[in-house]
Amino acid sequence: GQNIDQPTEMTATEGAIVQINCTYQTSGFNGLFWYQQHAGEAPTFLSYNVLDGLEEKGRFSSFLSRSKGYSYLLLKELQMKDSASYLCAVRAAGNNRKLIWGLGTSLAVNP
Amino acid sequence: DVKVTQSSRYLVKRTGEKVFLECVQDMDHENMFWYRQDPGLGLRLIYFSYDVKMKEKGDIPEGYSVSREKKERFSLILESASTNQTSMYLCASSLRQDPYEQYFGPGTRLTVT
Repeated sequence: GQNIDQPTEMTATEGAIVQINCTYQTSGFNGLFWYQQHAGEAPTFLSYNVLDGLEEKGRFSSFLSRSKGYSYLLLKELQMKDSASYLCAVRAAGNNRKLIWGLGTSLAVNP
Repeated sequence: DVKVTQSSRYLVKRTGEKVFLECVQDMDHENMFWYRQDPGLGLRLIYFSYDVKMKEKGDIPEGYSVSREKKERFSLILESASTNQTSMYLCASSLRQDPYEQYFGPGTRLTVT
C-alpha cells in the first residue's frame, strides 16, 4: 500500500529551530510537497522537492532523500504565527495528478 | 495570484437534502479536486477532474457526484446528505504540468443535521 508517516504533534519555543520529519512508502515517486495549514483555514504551499538535497526558502527549508523515503521540513527562528499543522504529500508514479497526503503534524510554538 | 473560491464558508443542511458545493478557480488550471478533511483522518480525495466533463473517482466517492461543465468550475453534489457527511470540504486546483502544485480554496464547513 501507500503510506506517509509524520509525528502527530510537536512543541517548540519561539526563536528556536524545529525539524518535522516525514517518511513515505509509495509506488514510485514524482515529488514531495510540504503544506502549512492554520486552524480553520485551507492548506497553503510551502515547498516542493523532487531531487535529493536541501531546498531553502527564507526561514523554511525542506530536505529529501529518495533512497531512504525520507523528508524533513526545517523551520528556523520560530515565530508564534508558525503554530499550525504541517502536511507532507507525495506525488507517486502512475497518476501524476493525485497527491498522497500524510495526516499532518500539529506544531505549537510557545513563548 | 491564484484564486480558488468556494460558494459558502458554512452550510447547514438536513438529512436527505441534495447539497451543491461550488468551486471556481481563475487561473485556467486543468486539474481540479474535491477533498474532505476530518480530525484524525487527514485530507481524503473524493473526486478529481483533469478536463472539462472528465472526472475520476478518488478514495471516498460513495455518496458524492461531481460536475465540470466549464474549465473554471467544479461542483460537488451530495445526492442525499447524511450526518456522516458532516465535514470540512476543500476544493483545489493545479496545472497539468510539473510540479502539479495544488492551490486550495478557503473550505466549506458542512453540517448535516
